[in-house]
Amino acid sequence: EVQLVESGGGLVQPGRSLRLSCAASGFTFDDYAMHWVRQAPGKGLEWVSGISWNSGSIGYADSVKGRFTISRDNAKNSLYLQMNSLRAEDTALYYCAKDRGIAVARGEFDYWGQGTLVTVSS
Amino acid sequence: AIRMTQSPSSFSASTGDRVTITCRASQGISSYLAWYQQKPGKAPKLLIYAASTLQSGVPSRFSGSGSGTDFTLTISCLQSEDFATYYCQQYYSYPPYTFGQGTKLEIK
Repeated sequence: EVQLVESGGGLVQPGRSLRLSCAASGFTFDDYAMHWVRQAPGKGLEWVSGISWNSGSIGYADSVKGRFTISRDNAKNSLYLQMNSLRAEDTALYYCAKDRGIAVARGEFDYWGQGTLVTVSS
Repeated sequence: AIRMTQSPSSFSASTGDRVTITCRASQGISSYLAWYQQKPGKAPKLLIYAASTLQSGVPSRFSGSGSGTDFTLTISCLQSEDFATYYCQQYYSYPPYTFGQGTKLEIK
């Protein structure tokens, strides 16, 4: 059974940093691209960042480019999101999502974690 | 970035109804479109990818169609468990992948 478990969320002041983690199990982690998708309270879904199976291809939404860094450790079956210079508008539930494509990212998200809440407030 | 616009934003229907949700892309995206269902307090669930391919385990009352800029999600016979919010998402252009604003389907 595929499982994605996010952690690392919490309350943080504007301008500070936070690192999110996603522990994956139930599939061959290093075969798949992975993504972070967020959802502000009461709002829709926003793709944040994605990383290919070998970290060779990385993409970011314009809203986080230059502030967030995605990474992965295939030996640990883990995905990360380093979030710097946090803003109030980064407040959201952050989901880790698995790409459906093997080796080549397809952009279809077939499994999601339950999310970790990040609140940016003074 | 490609903008995805869903209509309606919300509507009410009854169990047993046939419902259709529309998604329009701001430019052509071929068939690179997915549909997700999200229930309150839960993570989104992939329903359909490649515009019309049903994800494994998804009931056959769900179907998708369209290509280019106009797409539809149809639920042929609404069940109580189908009341949720639905999102379309394009993956033709990356980055970024973009979602529609969502369509909330409520019980009449």
